[in-house]
Amino acid sequence: KAGVTQTPRYLIKTRGQQVTLSCSPISGHRSVSWYQQTPGQGLQFLFEYFSETQRNKGNFPGRFSGRQFSNSRSEMNVSTLELGDSALYLCASSLGTAYTGELFFGEGSRLTVL
Amino acid sequence: EDQVTQSPEALRLQEGESSSLNCSYTVSGLRGLFWYRQDPGKGPEFLFTLYSAGEEKEKERLKATLTKKESFLHITAPKPEDSATYLCAVQAPYNTDKLIFGTGTRLQVFP
Repeated sequence: KAGVTQTPRYLIKTRGQQVTLSCSPISGHRSVSWYQQTPGQGLQFLFEYFSETQRNKGNFPGRFSGRQFSNSRSEMNVSTLELGDSALYLCASSLGTAYTGELFFGEGSRLTVL
Repeated sequence: EDQVTQSPEALRLQEGESSSLNCSYTVSGLRGLFWYRQDPGKGPEFLFTLYSAGEEKEKERLKATLTKKESFLHITAPKPEDSATYLCAVQAPYNTDKLIFGTGTRLQVFP
């Protein structure tokens, strides 16, 4: 079956702009989580959505937001971009009810802020 | 605060040279410890889940073990295709898919 799809794969923005990233989970998966990956900090949890509701949120400023649609697809938005927002943004999906730790990750959206 | 620390940061091995990667954790009530593999340009790929001290899981040349304070990923007779970054994570102590990751060990296996 098709895996987790993230778009766009690469993007370049300038400081102060905003960006929207999209994630299509595996069919049947109702939970979508977002992580930021940087060389220094590793993977850091941004937020998790389950059935269109935010179930958990990480320690990121309010410039980072997300949402989930009725078809389980999810988007995350970063407003007023800063240089430090340059990172690989990973989306992961799961059934959302078993909590086995087995998340299915997409290949990520690599954001560069100039 | 829940924390995961992995060592070493990087490891270079000759093909066939066995070794172990370490993951130490500090959590208030472990619900599960997980190992992932990440290849360059790809998202992490799930390998193992361990739930309780003494538990072991195996997959091909990899074996993961768990104690009350740390986990080890043993790599036996590695091959160049085992080269990747190996990530350890723990589950936050409530019903969620939120995982707390370590910064990983970058493994390179040379022929």
